[in-house]
Amino acid sequence: QITLTQQAESLWISPGERVSITCRASQSLLYTDGKHYLSWYQQRPGQTTKALIYHASVRTDGVPTRFIGSGSGTEFTLSIEHVQPEDFAIYYCLQTLKSPFTFGSGTKLEIK
Amino acid sequence: QVTLKESGPGILQPSHTLSLTCSFSGFSLSTYGMGVSWIRQPSGKGLEWLASIWWNGNTYNNPSLKSRLTVSKDTSNNQAFLKVTSVDTADTATYYCAHTRLRGWYFDFWGPGTMVTVSS
Repeated sequence: QITLTQQAESLWISPGERVSITCRASQSLLYTDGKHYLSWYQQRPGQTTKALIYHASVRTDGVPTRFIGSGSGTEFTLSIEHVQPEDFAIYYCLQTLKSPFTFGSGTKLEIK
Repeated sequence: QVTLKESGPGILQPSHTLSLTCSFSGFSLSTYGMGVSWIRQPSGKGLEWLASIWWNGNTYNNPSLKSRLTVSKDTSNNQAFLKVTSVDTADTATYYCAHTRLRGWYFDFWGPGTMVTVSS
């Protein structure tokens, strides 16, 4: 199965700063259609899990433009510019290129 | 507006069968490209994909649970179901269902989850 590694278990930043969360796959997530099957999710206490990004860089409807997905092949990044108080949460990457679909272990964004 | 809600027994004994229901609105599981996926999360831990079912009846299961999983749907009542046989304490988790799109293959709307405890 494809393993996704989120090296950082926690990241401490101050509101207003920029942060990047990385996700590394054990094999390329590029399919023959030219798209990467990598998506990003946000989990906040008391809220439903929210999809932020799919195909590595496409924002889902209503997601603020400060959330930016990038990367290709096996290396992917979720960047958040000017972090807002509501962005302190846990972020997971997910690959759906091959079954079994697998999640990264998660990165918790914490207030410095 | 897509919404989903999971329901289940709350607590059950080891070796029993876990039955979960996902009731949803805002889409139909008979429409091309629509699917429902099941994901679980032990308390304080990460997410694990379990299974997906698509509009055409195709299903995908996580082989790590071997043949313990069965996913099905009731299109006319807007429900999807997950059964997990022979549960043990390792199956204790919050179980989520999520709307899944063929375009993008991602989980765009999630339910709030239902907590399941396996205990004797």
